[in-house]
Amino acid sequence: NAGVTQTPKFRILKIGQSMTLQCAQDMNHNYMYWYRQDPGMGLKLIYYSVGAGITDKGEVPNGYNVSRSTTEDFPLRLELAAPSQTSVYFCASETTGDHPDEQFFGPGTRLTVL
Amino acid sequence: SQKIEQNSEALNIQEGKTATLTCNYTNYSPAYLQWYRQDPGRGPVFLLLIRENEKEKRKERLKVTFDTTLKQSLFHITASQPADSATYLCALDPKGGGNKLTFGTGTQLKVEL
Repeated sequence: NAGVTQTPKFRILKIGQSMTLQCAQDMNHNYMYWYRQDPGMGLKLIYYSVGAGITDKGEVPNGYNVSRSTTEDFPLRLELAAPSQTSVYFCASETTGDHPDEQFFGPGTRLTVL
Repeated sequence: SQKIEQNSEALNIQEGKTATLTCNYTNYSPAYLQWYRQDPGRGPVFLLLIRENEKEKRKERLKVTFDTTLKQSLFHITASQPADSATYLCALDPKGGGNKLTFGTGTQLKVEL
């Protein structure tokens, strides 16, 4: 199992450009999450999904969009990139359960917006 | 407002000693609390989960306590080694928040020879 994979590892964007951060998992997990982590700060939840076709906003959703057409993939879309979106982005997945369980994280995408 | 607090200053200890990290929270009533390890440039890795009705949980050299009265969790690493050097994050679920976790900012641990 590859676990949770993310691409790209690094990206530099200009203000106003758009991009999609890819995330895939091969563990058949229903729950998937997108976080951002700024220096010295904790992980902030951007969006999450409890299954294919179902997504919901987290704590900091503005400027982002997601889709979940399959169980495996959970891409994060940035439209009109801004310097405030410079961050490290982590995707995570979790098996279905009636309570929070171990989350498996990807290696992250380091994004710089100039 | 809801807060999770972890020591922002790095904790430096000598190899072989026990490291103790603190996670305090306010205005939460979590049913579960988790600890993760994060190495530089990598995603967090799950270590332990403890439920609100459990006082203590152990896994090899790791021990977690959960005091819902004090609103505090302590994370202990016994017989610490330089390889334990990393940032340790606590995370908890707000009751009624589904499976979503809220993370603390983490404490950096440095184990010196």
